[in-house]
Amino acid sequence: RKEVEQDPGPFNVPEGATVAFNCTYSNSASQSFFWYRQDCRKEPKLLMSVYSSGNEDGRFTAQLNRASQYISLLIRDSKLSDSATYLCVVKRVGEIIFGKGTRLHILP
Amino acid sequence: GAGVSQSPSNKVTEKGKDVELRCDPISGHTALYWYRQRLGQGLEFLIYFQGNSAPDKSGLPSDRFSAERTGESVSTLTIQRTQQEDSAVYLCASSLVDEKETQYFGPGTRLLVL
Repeated sequence: RKEVEQDPGPFNVPEGATVAFNCTYSNSASQSFFWYRQDCRKEPKLLMSVYSSGNEDGRFTAQLNRASQYISLLIRDSKLSDSATYLCVVKRVGEIIFGKGTRLHILP
Repeated sequence: GAGVSQSPSNKVTEKGKDVELRCDPISGHTALYWYRQRLGQGLEFLIYFQGNSAPDKSGLPSDRFSAERTGESVSTLTIQRTQQEDSAVYLCASSLVDEKETQYFGPGTRLLVL
């Protein structure tokens, strides 16, 4: 089983819709969790950290479920500019692991 | 402030040649990471520096790959006797060593081995 797994997509979603995707991780010792965003032919950039209690940043909501070992990202009122690949990142002592990403296409 | 910079931005080389890729991290970031990303693929971890030392070299794909870091600053990734399968974008990231260790990425070096 891969350490960090994501549905590669693509998710094709109409503008204005809500979309959610999950990321599962296999190592229960994982400590910190993040979502990064990567635009085509660009470097990854931090979108948001994921906290145990769940956290929100504008239209983006991230949640962590330690019992089931997954994190989620919810995007509300999606914009064309949200089209990107979303990378799940899991960190534990001395190690940071990136998922392969979920591609999101927002359709006009 | 200045972000992570990498050079060259693009490199075309012939199979069998050596290449050297450079990363300048954000000033004060003690952690530095190298990743490889092939076209349409995810990030592949290569190596991580804590200061000038690399506690984890397990990600280097072969003994043709080596990396060093000096002065807790600049890092170079060297690929000897390049092969066509080395063609990829090589990304460098740096971070503070704190609870979050948020990584800030450079723009990458696009390597094409002919």
